[in-house]
Formats: sequence, structure tokens, C-alpha cells
Amino acid sequence: AQKVTQAQTEISVVEKEDVTLDCVYETRDTTYYLFWYKQPPSGELVFLIRRNSFDEQNEISGRYSWNFQKSTSSFNFTITASQVVDSAVYFCALSSNYGGSQGNLIFGKGTKLSVKP
Amino acid sequence: DAGVIQSPRHEVTEMGQEVTLRCKPISGHDYLFWYRQTMMRGLELLIYFNNNVPIDDSGMPEDRFSAKMPNASFSTLKIQPSEPRDSAVYFCASSFRRGEQFFGPGTRLTVL
Repeated sequence: AQKVTQAQTEISVVEKEDVTLDCVYETRDTTYYLFWYKQPPSGELVFLIRRNSFDEQNEISGRYSWNFQKSTSSFNFTITASQVVDSAVYFCALSSNYGGSQGNLIFGKGTKLSVKP
Repeated sequence: DAGVIQSPRHEVTEMGQEVTLRCKPISGHDYLFWYRQTMMRGLELLIYFNNNVPIDDSGMPEDRFSAKMPNASFSTLKIQPSEPRDSAVYFCASSFRRGEQFFGPGTRLTVL
């Protein structure tokens, strides 16, 4: 079975705090991709990052960083020095080739992040 | 650079009416996806196409839902007849091969 679990439904932090959003996935496939998307209050879905299952290097992009650990099937997302504009719902997603279903995304339920000034 | 275009952005209709949602993918992309987002079920895939051919429609809830992709630059999702439980935000997304999917702004559908 393929599944993405984001255990944190809502997180509230004060501006400038660091915050980590957790993502745990399940798949039987050995080749898969992991994604993070941001959905701000305006409603659109904004692509943040894609990672393939063979690349476990952590990635940093400005204040954003991602930690991929196959041993724990996790792909966590950290925002450093959070800002009010980071307030959004963040979705983790999985794309694998299990059962021939190539390309479609399996989304977690999302984590709503509120950053207060 | 035009992203994925969806129309209409908002649709309010009455139960029993036919609803057609439209999507123009990013030029050059060969995959097109239709998703639905509700509070109860989150984001779920309805159907996706590869090179205009439907590949997986197992997420389409009922026969009332149908999707077409007559060419590489246009797709429709039709609901006939619509019901209040179809109220949701419908997203179209496109990608090149298995790359990142880029989403349109969504169509907020309300069925009264």
C-alpha cells in the first residue's frame, strides 16, 4: 500500500522560530519520488521540492531545508527563522510506480502552519 | 510563462445541472492530472492522462464524472448530473514525464 502520513495537523509558531514539518511515507516500490507543496490561503498549490529515492542528500534552499531518511521512511521539512508569509498548508506527496500507477501523487493530509508576528 | 490554466475559477450551480471544468496544461507537458480537494478527503486523484490517453481513472467517483483530453492542450472534466456532495476545489496539474507536477489555480465548485 502507498501512504503518506503527516501527523501534525496544525502548528503555530512565533516569527523567527524554526519549525519542522514531519512526513512519513509507505511504498513497496524501490523507485519513487517525494514532494513538498505549499498551499497558501489564496488556494493555489506551489511546488517546493522533488526528491528521488536514490538521492538521500539533504537539501537546503534559503530558509528551507529537507531531510530525507530512507531508514525511517521520512522526508521532513524545516523552515528556519519562520516568517508570517510562511503561513500556509504544507503537503507532502509520494509518486511511485507501484502497480503501474506511474506519475500520480499520493498526498498526505497536510499540516497547517501559522506563523504569528 | 503561462502556467496551467483552469476555467472557470468559481462555479455555482444547482443540483442536477451539468458542470464542465476546463484545463489547459503547460505546453510540452505529456501528463495531465485532475485532482479534487475537500476538507473530508483532502487531495485525491481523479484521473490522469499520458499523451492524451487516460491511464488511470480509478479515482473517478461515479459514472456521473467523465474526463476527456481531445488534444495535448486541452482537457475537460464533466459532472452530469451534479450533486451537492460534488462541491470541492478541482485542480488540474501537468508534468513532463514523472517530473514535478505544476498545478492550476483550481476551480471552486459549489452545487446547491
